[in-house]
Amino acid sequence: QLQLQESGPGLVKPSETLSLTCTVSGASINNAHYYWGWVRQPPGKGLEWIGTVYYTGNTYYNPSLKSRVTISVDASKKQFSLKLTSVTAADTAVYYCARHTKSRGGYTWGHWGQGTLVTVSS
Amino acid sequence: QSVLTQPPSVSGAPGQTVTISCTGSSSNIGADYDVNWYQQRPGTAPKVLLYANNNRPSGVPDRFSGSKSGTSASLAITGLQAEDEADYYCQSYDRSLSGSVFGGGTKLTVL
Repeated sequence: QLQLQESGPGLVKPSETLSLTCTVSGASINNAHYYWGWVRQPPGKGLEWIGTVYYTGNTYYNPSLKSRVTISVDASKKQFSLKLTSVTAADTAVYYCARHTKSRGGYTWGHWGQGTLVTVSS
Repeated sequence: QSVLTQPPSVSGAPGQTVTISCTGSSSNIGADYDVNWYQQRPGTAPKVLLYANNNRPSGVPDRFSGSKSGTSASLAITGLQAEDEADYYCQSYDRSLSGSVFGGGTKLTVL
C-alpha cells in the first residue's frame, strides 16, 4: 500500500530556504508510469501545483515559482525533495507531496501525503 | 486567482442534487485535457473523486458523476448525504504552464 510522508521544518524565517523531503513506501519511485510532485495550500485557500519530478531526474515547475524552486529525487532512498528559496509570508502553506500519472489527457494526482504545515515567520 | 474558476460555495438538502461548475480556457479544458475532481475533508489531504472527466476510482459511489463540454466541466452529486460535506476541487493540465492547474475550490454544505 503506497504511503507518502512529508518531513522538514515547520517554521522557516523570511528570505531563507524551505526544504522538505517526501519518503515513499509501498511502491518504487523508479516506476516509469508515475511522476512525483509537490502541491501546496495556503491556509483557507486553494491548491497550487509547485512542480514535478520523474525518476530520471527530469523536472517540471510552475512558471510562477520556477525561479525559486528545485525538486530532486533520490530513488535509492525512496525520497524526493523540495527546496524553495527566498521565502516570504506568502509561502506559508500546507505542503503536500503526491504521486501522479501523466498521459495525453494530463496529470491525475492519485496518491497524496498527509501534508505538512510550513509557516514563514521571524 | 486560480486558473480554473469554481463557485466558492454550494449547498443542498439531504437527498437533493447539486452541481459544481469548473470553467477554464482554451489552454486547458478547452484544449481537450482531462478534468479530475478531488474531495477534501477538513484537515485531510485531497482525494481523487473522479478522473479523466467521468471515471470513478474504486470505492467512490456512483452518486458522483462528471461531464465536460468546451472550456467547462461540472461535477454532479445526487442523493446528497451528510458525509458529502467537504471542499471540492477541479484540476486539469494547462499547455501554457506545462503543468497542473486547479480550481479555487467549492465548499459543499449539506443543510
